[in-house]
Amino acid sequence: EAGVAQSPRYKIIEKRQSVAFWCNPISGHATLYWYQQILGQGPKLLIQFQNNGVVDDSQLPKDRFSAERLKGVDSTLKIQPAKLEDSAVYLCASSLMAGAYNEQFFGPGTRLTVL
Amino acid sequence: AQSVTQLGSHVSVSEGALVLLRCNYSSSVPPYLFWYVQYPNQGLQLLLKYTSAATLVKGINGFEAEFKKSETSFHLTKPSAHMSDAAEYFCAVSEEQGAQKLVFGQGTRLTINP
Repeated sequence: EAGVAQSPRYKIIEKRQSVAFWCNPISGHATLYWYQQILGQGPKLLIQFQNNGVVDDSQLPKDRFSAERLKGVDSTLKIQPAKLEDSAVYLCASSLMAGAYNEQFFGPGTRLTVL
Repeated sequence: AQSVTQLGSHVSVSEGALVLLRCNYSSSVPPYLFWYVQYPNQGLQLLLKYTSAATLVKGINGFEAEFKKSETSFHLTKPSAHMSDAAEYFCAVSEEQGAQKLVFGQGTRLTINP
């Protein structure tokens, strides 16, 4: 079974530029998550999708971050414009269904450096 | 709101020695508790989870954790460390009710000395 795929793996941009990350979850997984992991910290949930609907985006900085999951499969996360403090690893995860009882499977992440 | 505290950002043990990684949680309702492992340049992998069944939970790679409600703890142990156990370990909590989202601790980096 193929795991969660993410691209690119690494991205370096200058502040005020835009960037987009892509995630393809495990086939058949209805729930998709984007996490931000700042160096030295644990992952923090940015947004959770159930199929193509948003379940929780309470910690997404909506003035600069946006995410979509068209057709309920793959997803993109965009930052526009980027700030220095956005430097982090962005992790995508998926699970068969929503709810903490269901295991989340994580992708390898995209490491973003903002200069 | 729930939270997790991992005591010790860095733990170093000798190969063959006991591994003990500490996790304390805060939750207003019965929690689900998890341990994840992250190897360099990889995503997180679930080691084990507690979901209100047996308080002693066995996971992959010889790890286990015990849920102690009175101490609000969920410490991770392994009797004998192996070089391949070197990684970052994260404890996480979620509540059975409500949003059920995962809240992670800050992580503990485990180093194994030969």
